[in-house]
Amino acid sequence: EDKVVQSPLSLVVHEGDTVTLNCSYEVTNFRSLLWYKQEKKAPTFLFMLTSSGIEKKSGRLSSILDKKELSSILNITATQTGDSAIYLCAVSETSGSRLTFGEGTQLTVNP
Amino acid sequence: DTEVTQTPKHLVMGMTNKKSLKCEQHMGHRAMYWYKQKAKKPPELMFVYSYEKLSINESVPSRFSPECPNSSLLNLHLHALQPEDSALYLCASSQGWTDPNQPQHFGDGTRLSIL
Repeated sequence: EDKVVQSPLSLVVHEGDTVTLNCSYEVTNFRSLLWYKQEKKAPTFLFMLTSSGIEKKSGRLSSILDKKELSSILNITATQTGDSAIYLCAVSETSGSRLTFGEGTQLTVNP
Repeated sequence: DTEVTQTPKHLVMGMTNKKSLKCEQHMGHRAMYWYKQKAKKPPELMFVYSYEKLSINESVPSRFSPECPNSSLLNLHLHALQPEDSALYLCASSQGWTDPNQPQHFGDGTRLSIL
């Protein structure tokens, strides 16, 4: 059975700090790893990482996939209160787009 | 606002009621999904439609009945639900079920409460 583990489960920082969120996975036939940000409603897509795209960056957010270690990190620099959310990591297999989600990391950024 | 639109945003119903959740996307996506999300838990897949045909049913109880009238619409018909079915129901869509390079995009969800 596919498994995705995120750490830490909860994190509280101050504005301006840099944070690193972790995701490790066990998947039979790995295809992609995705990061989503969920505030009160819809998970919002951040990044998709595959064998052909192991590093992505958008503004203050960046993510790296380590296929050897079966893990990924999501970095957020110069955090803002608007970054407060649950960050979900999910993986998909080659057989289709079924996503297996981790439990998420609850990030709180205090002013 | 997301490009996947779900209605209603909130729904309160009794255990004997029949109601439907609706989902619409106009991105030309051919795969659509229903997820259930309990508080402080990740989304759990319920159903997948690919090209308007049911591809996956994750052993969901028959009191949940999905329907895909066309490529842009996805419904979830509810009947005789239980209090433990109270949750956020999320709809998502993607370019294709087997497309390796396109992510799923989620709607804002319907928050369902069963009395």
